[in-house]
Amino acid sequence: KQEVTQIPAALSVPEGENLVLNCSFTDSAIYNLQWFRQDPGKGLTSLLLIQSSQREQTSGRLNASLDKSSGRSTLYIAASQPGDSATYLCAMAQFSGNTPLVFGKGTRLSVIA
Amino acid sequence: DTGVSQNPRHKITKRGQNVTFRCDPISEHNRLYWYRQTLGQGPEFLTYFQNEAQLEKSRLLSDRFSAERPKGSFSTLEIQRTEQGDSAMYLCASSPWGLSNTGELFFGEGSRLTVL
Repeated sequence: KQEVTQIPAALSVPEGENLVLNCSFTDSAIYNLQWFRQDPGKGLTSLLLIQSSQREQTSGRLNASLDKSSGRSTLYIAASQPGDSATYLCAMAQFSGNTPLVFGKGTRLSVIA
Repeated sequence: DTGVSQNPRHKITKRGQNVTFRCDPISEHNRLYWYRQTLGQGPEFLTYFQNEAQLEKSRLLSDRFSAERPKGSFSTLEIQRTEQGDSAMYLCASSPWGLSNTGELFFGEGSRLTVL
């Protein structure tokens, strides 16, 4: 059974810092990996999706990488802003993609002005 | 296209009552998923549909839970005889599954259930 772990559970940084959020998984037979953002009491917003055959994806100040051999993904946020404060969740689908996403518990990020 | 829509956004009910949530997916998305999320946890899978067919159900989906997608468009999730442990955010997502699909899921804003 796939297990997804996100460390740290919470992170507080001053505005302007570059930061890395970590996601690890136990089974490397993945179809894709998706990073989401969740604001308090809200739904999930998709940030980046990495297919199994890809190593990284970039969108603006965000860069996500995938290393299947080590069972790890990272989300890099450059020049953090107070508006980046949210919970960041990683999730993955296994095999052919016909299995549902398995989520980590998330990292709660606070960017202090 | 306004994205995935969920109603109601908030529901407060007494233990033992029945509740129903509705999800309208993004147009032409043939897959629809239901997840449940409790405070401090990641979303947990409940069930998903491809068109009108319910393809998979989690063991979390007890006999008191039923989901339907009768015409392959909107879906409903009903909880009968609610218990306090059912209090959670119920999230719906949709996906345009096909031959060249990336598998990306798009989530709605969720329906928060509080059982007193």
